[in-house]
Amino acid sequence: DGGITQSPKYLFRKEGQNVTLSCEQNLNHDAMYWYRQDPGQGLRLIYYSQIVNDFQKGDIAEGYSVSREKKESFPLTVTSAQKNPTAFYLCASSPLGAGPLDTQYFGPGTRLTVL
Amino acid sequence: QKEVEQNSGPLSVPEGAIASLNCTYSDRGSQSFFWYRQYSGKSPELIMFIYSNGDKEDGRFTAQLNKASQYVSLLIRDSQPSDSATYLCAVIAGGGADGLTFGKGTHLIIQP
Repeated sequence: DGGITQSPKYLFRKEGQNVTLSCEQNLNHDAMYWYRQDPGQGLRLIYYSQIVNDFQKGDIAEGYSVSREKKESFPLTVTSAQKNPTAFYLCASSPLGAGPLDTQYFGPGTRLTVL
Repeated sequence: QKEVEQNSGPLSVPEGAIASLNCTYSDRGSQSFFWYRQYSGKSPELIMFIYSNGDKEDGRFTAQLNKASQYVSLLIRDSQPSDSATYLCAVIAGGGADGLTFGKGTHLIIQP
């Protein structure tokens, strides 16, 4: 089964704690992305990576960190510096590594709640 | 600042009718346009993409692009209750290195 998996589906965190969200894909896609979605809002880009060991900040990178040590994996860490982390987090991947002909496909998402 | 604008709705359409969803974008250099469907609590699912001016049809769905007016639309023919969802318009601007810019979505309700 090819696809994008995210874990966990639901995550609860106490204030002041760092948490890491997992994203794995077996589609052999070069590019991977992290988005955040708040209720009634569109998706906002946090970080993206077009190649292993390289990544770029998106529009709202503050308080987040990522790594891309393997092509298949792009974990996102939500740090205690992120002031309002409660949101729906979506991971996506695309085959062409950005460019105007690229198409992104999404994982099922992780819903993070800060208590 | 790249912007993608959609009417948030809700847009209510009778079953069997045509649903028309609209989207405008600010970056004239935008090259690629995508429509995603998102059910409540789920992740977005790609419906269609369009790159060239004009119409592109796929089953009950038709995407329309007018780059001069910076306008893209999605028509859903023979609307079904299962089409009830939020529809997100997304744009890749310029060379595409920055990924997708999303609108906030239009909430569509198909009334049986």
